[in-house]
Amino acid sequence: QKEVEQNSGPLSVPEGAIASLNCTYSDRVSQSFFWYRQYSGKSPELIMSIYSNGDKEDGRFTAQLNKASQYVSLLIRDSQPSDSATYLCAVPMFSGGYNKLIFGAGTRLAVHP
Amino acid sequence: DGGITQSPKYLFRKEGQNVTLSCEQNLNHDAMYWYRQDPGQGLRLIYYSQIVNDFQKGDIAEGYSVSREKKESFPLTVTSAQKNPTAFYLCASRPSGSSNEQFFGPGTRLTVL
Repeated sequence: QKEVEQNSGPLSVPEGAIASLNCTYSDRVSQSFFWYRQYSGKSPELIMSIYSNGDKEDGRFTAQLNKASQYVSLLIRDSQPSDSATYLCAVPMFSGGYNKLIFGAGTRLAVHP
Repeated sequence: DGGITQSPKYLFRKEGQNVTLSCEQNLNHDAMYWYRQDPGQGLRLIYYSQIVNDFQKGDIAEGYSVSREKKESFPLTVTSAQKNPTAFYLCASRPSGSSNEQFFGPGTRLTVL
């Protein structure tokens, strides 16, 4: 099992719809979770952090965390073509003798007009 | 204007050459990281440094070397021993005392001719 898993997509949604991106992780003791957005050819940009079970809202973005199920998701409301990008889930883990941020392979989102 | 800078943006290397990628930050962050990203894959950790004059190997350190002589600078050398160096290289830094969130520079795309 991969440490952080995401569906690679592409996830295609119409403009104005809700896009739902999912991520599962293997380490039960992880305490913080991050979502990065990466446009094609660009570097990842941190868009959401979540530390507690439940929902965290920031504008059109909502992160949802369920530690018991080891599941974190990102909802994008009123999706816009400018949201088309790859979304990376990242989870800190103690692995190989040190703390490090483990990234999923990313889900590619395509928002079509 | 605070941030993380990487140079060059594009780099072409002949086989057998060593090349050095620059990473500079003026955010006063203690920890710095180097990642490699291949198409359709997540980020893989090459090296990281928690403080000046100290650095540790990540998951794929073979064929790479780093130095951390100044807090602001963490250059990465891709040596001729790295057999498949063509990739997108990302430098990141983390605020001191943070909950593991990292911020990325714009990246260097390295191509071996």
